[in-house]
Amino acid sequence: NAGVTQTPKFQVLKTGQSMTLQCAQDMNHEYMSWYRQDPGMGLRLIHYSVGAGITDQGEVPNGYNVSRSTTEDFPLRLLSAAPSQTSVYFCASRKQGASDTQYFGPGTRLTVL
Amino acid sequence: AQSVTQLGSHVSVSEGALVLLRCNYSSSVPPYLFWYVQYPNQGLQLLLKYTSAATLVKGINGFEAEFKKSETSFHLTKPSAHMSDAAEYFCAVTKGTGNQFYFGTGTSLTVIP
Repeated sequence: NAGVTQTPKFQVLKTGQSMTLQCAQDMNHEYMSWYRQDPGMGLRLIHYSVGAGITDQGEVPNGYNVSRSTTEDFPLRLLSAAPSQTSVYFCASRKQGASDTQYFGPGTRLTVL
Repeated sequence: AQSVTQLGSHVSVSEGALVLLRCNYSSSVPPYLFWYVQYPNQGLQLLLKYTSAATLVKGINGFEAEFKKSETSFHLTKPSAHMSDAAEYFCAVTKGTGNQFYFGTGTSLTVIP
């Protein structure tokens, strides 16, 4: 049971480039989410999904796209990277209930030059 | 709107001393509250959570927190700090479906030998 996995661990992009951050979980969790962590700001929710085919916006969705074609995978796409998107990105998953524990991946450190 | 406020971005305690990390929340309806810990270059791990059962919640590693509705607080405590407790601690809140999840800005705990 690998839990929540994220790839890559580190990435450097140039402004305007696109990329996809991968997230997968093997716990059959319905709810998956993406956060960004910035110094002094804690973690902020970007997008979330409550099941395959269902996604919605979080607190800071601009500049990011998501899709959920399977229960296991929830990729995050940056269509045109900007320096303001330099951050550490975390994926998390949990069962459907609000009180259920969220399990976090190890994170992806992204730098946009 | 929901939010959490963590007072003190940095807290230092001596080894063996009481640990007290403060968290206040704002929510118009009964919330679910969580404390997470993040060790350097790692993801977040759940310490404990309040889900409207007992107001005093015990978590892992000797931590506990008390939900006080009258004070809108959910402070994290540990009677005796260990060197291994040095980490960043995040308070988080959600309600209802739990789809929107809000983190505080974090408190960095330093334990002095």
